[in-house]
Amino acid sequence: EDQVTQSPEALRLQEGESSSLNCSYTVSGLRGLFWYRQDPGKGPEFLFTLYSAGEEKEKERLKATLTKKESFLHITAPKPEDSATYLCAVLTDSWGKLQFGAGTQVVVTP
Amino acid sequence: EAGVAQSPRYKIIEKRQSVAFWCNPISGHATLYWYQQILGQGPKLLIQFQNNGVVDDSQLPKDRFSAERLKGVDSTLKIQPAKLEDSAVYLCASSFNYEQYFGPGTRLTVT
Repeated sequence: EDQVTQSPEALRLQEGESSSLNCSYTVSGLRGLFWYRQDPGKGPEFLFTLYSAGEEKEKERLKATLTKKESFLHITAPKPEDSATYLCAVLTDSWGKLQFGAGTQVVVTP
Repeated sequence: EAGVAQSPRYKIIEKRQSVAFWCNPISGHATLYWYQQILGQGPKLLIQFQNNGVVDDSQLPKDRFSAERLKGVDSTLKIQPAKLEDSAVYLCASSFNYEQYFGPGTRLTVT
């Protein structure tokens, strides 16, 4: 059975304190891995798609990387506005079905 | 470009009552998804439409949940009768390729 596990469950950072979130997966055939950001009371917001091991994507202070077993979301010099829950999801079939992890709740304090 | 629209944003009902949610996807997106997100968990896919045909409804509790997508555009998700464990946020998403774009969700509370 496909599984997506995110760690840690929660992360509290000081402004400027860089850190990484982990998403490990066991799927029969990875077709793609997605990162989303979710703010309280809102739907998930698309950040990145990674399709193959070794691929990297960057957006402002966020950088996503992918290996054959896991993905990392690196947050460099975070700001309070980076506070959110970060979700990863794996693409499990050719129709676009995503299986999500439980998310990592990130709080960045000034 | 307008995003995915959902209504209502909030709904409170008593158990055994029925409720319906509406979703209008991004224009031109052929694929539409309904997810259930329980507090502290990631979204769980309930049903996926490709145009107005069902692609995957394997996790939809079909004894109480139903969904339709008429004319391949808007969609409704219905729960009848509701149970306490149905309290959750119901998210609608649409996609053109594999990138899914989500609406704001409907927060359902069943008392």
